[in-house]
Amino acid sequence: EPEVTQTPSHQVTQMGQEVILRCVPISNHLYFYWYRQILGQKVEFLVSFYNNEISEKSEIFDDQFSVERPDGSNFTLKIRSTKLEDSAMYFCASNGVPGANVLTFGAGSRLTVL
Amino acid sequence: GENVEQHPSTLSVQEGDSAVIKCTYSDSASNYFPWYKQELGKRPQLIIDIRSNVGEKKDQRIAVTLNKTAKHFSLHITETQPEDSAVYFCAASPSGYALNFGKGTSLLVTP
Repeated sequence: EPEVTQTPSHQVTQMGQEVILRCVPISNHLYFYWYRQILGQKVEFLVSFYNNEISEKSEIFDDQFSVERPDGSNFTLKIRSTKLEDSAMYFCASNGVPGANVLTFGAGSRLTVL
Repeated sequence: GENVEQHPSTLSVQEGDSAVIKCTYSDSASNYFPWYKQELGKRPQLIIDIRSNVGEKKDQRIAVTLNKTAKHFSLHITETQPEDSAVYFCAASPSGYALNFGKGTSLLVTP
C-alpha cells in the first residue's frame, strides 16, 4: 500500500534555529498538507498546497513557516526561527482527487525545541 | 472558521459493549466528516467517513450517523474489543482542503 514518508522521525533543535521537515507524498496525489499535534492535544491544520502554491493556511501558519515542493517528489515544511511552543509532532498528509478529502497521513516528525 | 466539539474526552467500556462518541460542528458549509483512530505514538488513520448527502454509513462494527440540521455526527462502535482502545478524532471539512479536528476521545476497552 502506498505510504506518505516523512523525515526525520525525530529532531531536537535549539530555540531560534531553522528546521526543515521533509515529506514524500504518495506519487499520484495532488494535494499536500501539514498538520501538527502538540503532545496530548488535537491535530491542527497548518497548510494545504496544490499546483505549487498554498491553497489554504491556518492562523498557526505565520511568517515563521513556509512550505516548498523543491522537486517532483519532496514537500517540505520550514520553520525559520523555532520557538519552544513549536515542539510538536508534525504530520504530512496527501490526497489525490480534488475534494475527495480522504487524507493519508505520514508517520510524523517529532520536533523538540530546547 | 469551523469549530468542532467532541464528547466525551474519555470513555471506558467493557469488552463487548458499545461505544458512542459525539461531535458537533459550526460551519453549515461542512460537507465531509471523517473519523480517525490514533494509537499511542502512531499516525491518525481513517476508520470511516461520511459525506453530507448521506445520513448513516456502516462498516462492520463501526457506524457513523450525521444530522445536518442539528450539525452533529456520531461514531458508534459495537462489540468493542481491547484493540479498539485508542484516541478517536472526529473532523469536519468546509473547504474541501483542510480538516478541522475535534479534541479527541480516549477510548479504553477493558477485558
